[in-house]
Amino acid sequence: DTAVSQTPKYLVTQMGNDKSIKCEQNLGHDTMYWYKQDSKKFLKIMFSYNNKELIINETVPNRFSPKSPDKAHLNLHINSLELGDSAVYFCASSQVSGRSYEQYFGPGTRLTVT
Amino acid sequence: AQRVTQPEKLLSVFKGAPVELKCNYSYSGSPELFWYVQYSRQRLQLLLRHISRESIKGFTADLNKGETSFHLKKPFAQEEDSAMYYCALNNAGNMLTFGGGTRLMVKP
Repeated sequence: DTAVSQTPKYLVTQMGNDKSIKCEQNLGHDTMYWYKQDSKKFLKIMFSYNNKELIINETVPNRFSPKSPDKAHLNLHINSLELGDSAVYFCASSQVSGRSYEQYFGPGTRLTVT
Repeated sequence: AQRVTQPEKLLSVFKGAPVELKCNYSYSGSPELFWYVQYSRQRLQLLLRHISRESIKGFTADLNKGETSFHLKKPFAQEEDSAMYYCALNNAGNMLTFGGGTRLMVKP
């Protein structure tokens, strides 16, 4: 199936730990994103990554770092997890060069920090 | 800076009633606006975009630059329309700014 996939689907961990969430897209898109959806369902962009150019939302703490081994993957690494990091994290991709701005979303990763 | 506002967190209507989900935006450039929908336990997906001027699942949305609005409308709501709806603005950096979302509940 052509899609955006994320692993794991659920992640429960303790404060202070370091964790990673993986994202892969097989749509051939040139741009990938990470979004955070908080408990009130508010969605906020965290990062955009296009051809090795990273655009960071300035409100994102530097404990969050995206890593892109290739165009089809954009992983999210989080250091020193805090309670406030609990949220659903969505990966997305789009083909920006063709001016098709539709973003395709992954199923989300529900992170719970205890 | 761009901003998207959805004033209603929850909208509850009966089946067959008209629906209007409000969206207002502020953006200094020429806006690219979208409506995304998230059904229960499903991923976020594009519902429609203003440049297409199309109707999807009976929904339409017209960009009103004078009122800086992009309200989503459907003349007759169905139970399967129950979902979270997000209005979104695409900025020059190709990142989406989302509104706070409106939960639509269609009662039988």
